[in-house]
Amino acid sequence: EIVLTQSPGTLSLSPGERATLSCRASQGVSSSFLAWYQQRAGQAPRLLIYVGSRRATGIPDRFSASGSGTDFTLTISRLEPEDFAVYYCQQYGSSPLTFGGGTKVEIK
Amino acid sequence: QVQLEESGGGVVQPGRSLRLSCAASGFTFSSYGMHWVRQAPGKGLEWVGVISSDGNEKYYGDSVKGRFTISRDNSKNTLYLQMNNVRPEDTAVYYCAKVGKLGVFIWADSWGQGTLVTVSS
Repeated sequence: EIVLTQSPGTLSLSPGERATLSCRASQGVSSSFLAWYQQRAGQAPRLLIYVGSRRATGIPDRFSASGSGTDFTLTISRLEPEDFAVYYCQQYGSSPLTFGGGTKVEIK
Repeated sequence: QVQLEESGGGVVQPGRSLRLSCAASGFTFSSYGMHWVRQAPGKGLEWVGVISSDGNEKYYGDSVKGRFTISRDNSKNTLYLQMNNVRPEDTAVYYCAKVGKLGVFIWADSWGQGTLVTVSS
């Protein structure tokens, strides 16, 4: 099983600041098989990024992702109020599919 | 637009069974695989399993393998999760989610709102 470790657990930032979230895999993951999801409080998760760096429909371009091998990053260039949420990475290249533990982006 | 609506959650005693349903609309259900993902209260996301578009391929997470079964009825546009021998640690919100393109090991591009299952005596 591929274990995904997200860091930091919590990121305290102000609106307008840049957020950098990390996702580290226990073994190599093709970037083609990595996704990022956003979950706002009380809501279902929402797909942000798939195939490593492609934004899902309707996702603003302040969200970007990169990485390869075992290290992946989600960047939010300028935080908007609606971006304060929990973010999860997921690998879907091999079974069992796994999620990281999540990074909470909170208002400072 | 894609709509997924889970139902069937509730309180169930340990060791008993429960069946969840997920009604799908807004897309060609029979063309896409479907995931189940769960989230224990205050915790992160855990993948439960996936079923292929035709129902012939099924894969499960280790914690539910042998106890849970995913199935689908393409004539009814409905996905199911049969949960047998449930345990307190199965307490969670259960989400169904559509895969993003043809295939099985694919990201989830649309999610339902979830249904809460509580395992308690």
